[in-house]
Amino acid sequence: AQSVTQLDSQVPVFEEAPVELRCNYSSSVSVYLFWYVQYPNQGLQLLLKYLSGSTLVKGINGFEAEFNKSQTSFHLRKPSVHISDTAEYFCAVSLQGAQKLVFGQGTRLTINP
Amino acid sequence: NAGVMQNPRHLVRRRGQEARLRCSPMKGHSHVYWYRQLPEEGLKFMVYLQKENIIDESGMPKERFSAEFPKEGPSILRIQQVVRGDSAAYFCASSPRAASGSGETQYFGPGTRLLVL
Repeated sequence: AQSVTQLDSQVPVFEEAPVELRCNYSSSVSVYLFWYVQYPNQGLQLLLKYLSGSTLVKGINGFEAEFNKSQTSFHLRKPSVHISDTAEYFCAVSLQGAQKLVFGQGTRLTINP
Repeated sequence: NAGVMQNPRHLVRRRGQEARLRCSPMKGHSHVYWYRQLPEEGLKFMVYLQKENIIDESGMPKERFSAEFPKEGPSILRIQQVVRGDSAAYFCASSPRAASGSGETQYFGPGTRLLVL
């Protein structure tokens, strides 16, 4: 069975600093990879996804992620964060051929002024 | 195009009561997924439905939980005889086509936060 590990439960950064949120997955078959953001008391919003092709994926709000097959990682990055990026970020995978998403535990990003 | 709608947004029940959570998918979407988020945890898949059919219920607890997606109306997640451990946020997602095979995006609703006293 596949699993997703988000290595940091909380990440505090200063405004305008760069940030990287780490995600590793385990699966014996090919997967699709997703990053979702959850603002307080709201549902999840898709930031970006990797299906195939270029390993660098650009998403909304200035976020990007890089798929690394050899390291089974899909880390999320942003070169300069804003206060409005304060939220919980979830990495997820789905098996090609399966319906469900398997989520990591989430990383809470806190932006300090 | 309205997003995925869930109601109620907050639901309080006493132990032993029934909870009914409703989900209206986005217009044109015929695939619905339910997930549960326990406090301080990620989302866990519960069930996947198409109109009038349960396709995958591998994440549903064996007892007290049921789901349906009728031909007309919203999808319903029903929890009978609730216990305190059922307290969680329940999210519904929808997609226009099956999520498998194409990496189709699942669009999430705002969730229903269930509190069992």
